[in-house]
Amino acid sequence: SQTIHQWPATLVQPVGSPLSLECTVEGTSNPNLYWYRQAAGRGLQLLFYSVGIGQISSEVPQNLSASRPQDRQFILSSKKLLLSDSGFYLCAWSVGVETQYFGPGTRLLVL
Amino acid sequence: SQKIEQNSEALNIQEGKTATLTCNYTNYSPAYLQWYRQDPGRGPVFLLLIRENEKEKRKERLKVTFDTTLKQSLFHITASQPADSATYLCALDGNYGQNFVFGPGTRLSVLP
Repeated sequence: SQTIHQWPATLVQPVGSPLSLECTVEGTSNPNLYWYRQAAGRGLQLLFYSVGIGQISSEVPQNLSASRPQDRQFILSSKKLLLSDSGFYLCAWSVGVETQYFGPGTRLLVL
Repeated sequence: SQKIEQNSEALNIQEGKTATLTCNYTNYSPAYLQWYRQDPGRGPVFLLLIRENEKEKRKERLKVTFDTTLKQSLFHITASQPADSATYLCALDGNYGQNFVFGPGTRLSVLP
């Protein structure tokens, strides 16, 4: 069966520090991968999606970047965090463009 | 501009009643629409998918309708239980067929 992992679960970082969040998927090949951010009490905002290794599409201009170095690995990064980067970050995968399966999320607090 | 709206931010109903949640969209032509459940501090979990050529889909106590003329989907939970309390999100396929667009969600509270 397929599983999706995200780490860390919680992260507290100072403004201006770098960020690296990792997401890995098991049990499927060539998935579509997604990074979302959810601010407190708000909906899901799609940040990046990837249909293959090295292929990244960005939905909104921002302080973040994404990379897909391996088929089932998706990394979200920042060189210098801003206060506004705080939120709940969710990784998801899909096969094709139907159902998405979400990871447990990373709660990021930038102070 | 493109929008997805869900009828209310929060909905309170009595246990045993039917909960009805609404999802409306503007300036999209989705091939399908999905509903997800999200519990606090967790990722959304897929519940149901309905395609543009389907009027209704059921799964146990859940029922979804899809009206492409009204640009609206209704999500029903019959015989609601306190365990159904959660935020429910609708989502549809985005313009490029490779991404998803989510509504803001409705927080449902089923009171015992």
